[in-house]
Amino acid sequence: NAGVMQNPRHLVRRRGQEARLRCSPMKGHSHVYWYRQLPEEGLKFMVYLQKENIIDESGMPKERFSAEFPKEGPSILRIQQVVRGDSAAYFCASSLGGAGYGYTFGSGTRLTVV
Amino acid sequence: GDSVTQMEGPVTLSEEAFLTINCTYTATGYPSLFWYVQYPGEGLQLLLKATKADDKGSNKGFEATYRKETTSFHLEKGSVQVSDSAVYFCALLTQGGSEKLVFGKGTKLTVNP
Repeated sequence: NAGVMQNPRHLVRRRGQEARLRCSPMKGHSHVYWYRQLPEEGLKFMVYLQKENIIDESGMPKERFSAEFPKEGPSILRIQQVVRGDSAAYFCASSLGGAGYGYTFGSGTRLTVV
Repeated sequence: GDSVTQMEGPVTLSEEAFLTINCTYTATGYPSLFWYVQYPGEGLQLLLKATKADDKGSNKGFEATYRKETTSFHLEKGSVQVSDSAVYFCALLTQGGSEKLVFGKGTKLTVNP
């Protein structure tokens, strides 16, 4: 049973390009959470999704960032017109029925904006 | 809002030394508390958790006790090993509305042989 799969592991984008980060939750998990980890910082909550629904996006920047979790396929975190400050590790976690059931984290996508 | 404060790192210890990493929290009510560990280049792994006051979570020689009166959840290990070198994160589970984990900034531990 594969864990949470994130790809790519490393992503390099030039300023102004788009970054698309993918997350396939554990089998049977329908709750997905995205976190961002900046250098020397902890993990900051970005968004919580269930299939086809955004439950909580209180941590998402208002512009350029969007997330989806379609009925079929992985969850996608999309960053448009990337800037150097977007360089970070982005982690996805999934859970069976909400955070109280416990998270399983993926290995993350390390985004570098040059 | 809910928040977690961890002791500043980095922490450097010799093998077999005693480890304490302090963690305090601010929250409404009595949230579940967690310690996660992150090895270089990897995602976070759950180390231990406690769901109510006076509970003790333990795993791999690590322990933490949920102290309601001091709003703390300090991580301890009696004898660290080189393989314990990692970043340790304290977290709480928010209550009400959408539940999610709120993390501290992390404490980097280096254990030297």
